[in-house]
Amino acid sequence: DADVTQTPRNRITKTGKRIMLECSQTKGHDRMYWYRQDPGLGLRLIYYSFDVKDINKGEISDGYSVSRQAQAKFSLSLESAIPNQTALYFCATSDPTDTGELFFGEGSRLTVL
Amino acid sequence: LAKTTQPISMDSYEGQEVNITCSHNNIATNDYITWYQQFPSQGPRFIIQGYKTKVTNEVASLFIPADRKSSTLSLPRVSLSDTAVYYCLVGDSLWGGYQKVTFGTGTKLQVIP
Repeated sequence: DADVTQTPRNRITKTGKRIMLECSQTKGHDRMYWYRQDPGLGLRLIYYSFDVKDINKGEISDGYSVSRQAQAKFSLSLESAIPNQTALYFCATSDPTDTGELFFGEGSRLTVL
Repeated sequence: LAKTTQPISMDSYEGQEVNITCSHNNIATNDYITWYQQFPSQGPRFIIQGYKTKVTNEVASLFIPADRKSSTLSLPRVSLSDTAVYYCLVGDSLWGGYQKVTFGTGTKLQVIP
């Protein structure tokens, strides 16, 4: 089983719908992140959380919200999806006591029609 | 926030050594240099990290000159399976977390038979 699991892996939805992408991890890391990847644009940070009580905006947080339900769970919500939120979304975790290496999930491909 | 510049793409024949250089003129004293590899539709994967001089692991080597304004990822004898996008990241991922680290567009390496 993957250490960082994202659900759903693929989702097609319509403009205006509320969407939640879920992430769970078994690595025991306190730090979790949500990234968005668009073709040719690399990865951009949406939100990050250093522990259950800590939530911070990244560089492109507008239109998104997150919830850190537990150390192992970090969810990303699109309250009212729009077509330019069509992208590949990645959840990641890191442990600052080692190299700070990011461990990524397999991604959630979201299409907003 | 240290910005990185790396070539958009590179081609190499199988069996050759590949060197990908990243420039980061504004690197800060506390910043580490980290490289990630990403295959299509997968999350990036950590390759190597360094602070100065040379670091080597079973996958790659990382060369960092004394002024630390650039770094070179070296992949020995590449194979077709090394075809991927390679990201150079600069930031204090260890202590500050990845909110200060930017994933650029990376270098798309195409290995040719």
